[in-house]
Amino acid sequence: GQSLEQPSEVTAVEGAIVQINCTYQTSGFYGLSWYQQHDGGAPTFLSYNGLDGLEETGRFSSFLSRSDSYGYLLLQELQMKDSASYFCAVREGGKLIFGQGTELSVKP
Amino acid sequence: DTEVTQTPKHLVMGMTNKKSLKCEQHMGHRAMYWYKQKAKKPPELMFVYSYEKLSINESVPSRFSPECPNSSLLNLHLHALQPEDSALYLCASNTRLAPTGELFFGEGSRLTVL
Repeated sequence: GQSLEQPSEVTAVEGAIVQINCTYQTSGFYGLSWYQQHDGGAPTFLSYNGLDGLEETGRFSSFLSRSDSYGYLLLQELQMKDSASYFCAVREGGKLIFGQGTELSVKP
Repeated sequence: DTEVTQTPKHLVMGMTNKKSLKCEQHMGHRAMYWYKQKAKKPPELMFVYSYEKLSINESVPSRFSPECPNSSLLNLHLHALQPEDSALYLCASNTRLAPTGELFFGEGSRLTVL
């Protein structure tokens, strides 16, 4: 089976940079995905890392180290609208398994 | 059209009621999913349909009965639910072959069981 660990809460101020870490234990690994979910909304896909290294999409970047079973999501130039829950996720066969989620609070 | 549409958005039902949640997508995706999400928790997989056939049932109680009438529609029939079944029920779809694991989620149906 799979298990993923990420911090439960992170707080940062507008304009800052925040990193949300995710460590995983898997029986088979097909890459690490990140999802954002605003309160009361649907999870939305942010990024995917299949290989080691950094993927950048605008203000968001995601990193993977397969040898360390570790990845992170980096959010730059934080905005109030970035306040949300962030989930790392891995594939297990035909399933997508989510971490417990990190609630990010962005303060003015 | 890149949307997954779920109805109803909110549902309140008694423990003896029968109701259904509906999900529709027109992206040509051949894999569709039901997830259950409790407050402050991650989505938990319930069922996966692949090419309109049930491929994964995560040991979900029989009071939840999924149905996939065609490649665009997914239903979740509810009967004799318990108050602990109150949650946000999310439908999702993807191309099944996508290596990125990207799922397209609907906004969910928020269910309250009295």
